[in-house]
Amino acid sequence: QQPVQSPQAVILREGEDAVINCSSSKALYSVHWYRQKHGEAPVFLMILLKGGEQKGHEKISASFNEKKQQSSLYLTASQLSYSGTYFCGINPRGNSGNTPLVFGKGTRLSVIA
Amino acid sequence: DTGVSQNPRHKITKRGQNVTFRCDPISEHNRLYWYRQTLGQGPEFLTYFQNEAQLEKSRLLSDRFSAERPKGSFSTLEIQRTEQGDSAMYLCASSFGTALSPLHFGNGTRLTVT
Repeated sequence: QQPVQSPQAVILREGEDAVINCSSSKALYSVHWYRQKHGEAPVFLMILLKGGEQKGHEKISASFNEKKQQSSLYLTASQLSYSGTYFCGINPRGNSGNTPLVFGKGTRLSVIA
Repeated sequence: DTGVSQNPRHKITKRGQNVTFRCDPISEHNRLYWYRQTLGQGPEFLTYFQNEAQLEKSRLLSDRFSAERPKGSFSTLEIQRTEQGDSAMYLCASSFGTALSPLHFGNGTRLTVT
């Protein structure tokens, strides 16, 4: 049930763009995205519900493709502060949208000057 | 909003000892979750509460682990007869418990079993 994230790691120069994918083998009700910096707690970025909504947070946006059972996180014009590990968390039980999240293994993003 | 608070931040214990961690959630939140995270992995669900009721425990959670949330406020997670494999970061999170509610994580308790 654990979602699969890709890539596992990515290195960017400031100003470059990146895409992080999160795929599930089961139908999804919602997808959460979090960022965790080294030694800190995960911090919420955004939630996407089934219906293909696209959300935005600063220069970070995401999409949710219900049919493909996947979500993608888009980081544009990356800044040094974007460095960290990005996790997607899925609600794997379909209809309620109200059960504990199952997290992927994370994508480690490093932005260099 | 003072955030989710966890104590202690670090705990070193010898194998076989019992340990207890505490989590104080955001006061308005009725849901409280415990997750475990090891190096290079995402948070792994352990158990969660709706107010004082424990609604689900992960099948991965052995009977050495127990959690309580008396009166629906703070929660404790106890590990009995610790093993080296229990070494991890234990994260607590709280939320309003709806589909649109994000999880607010505490800074975690890092457990090292020697």
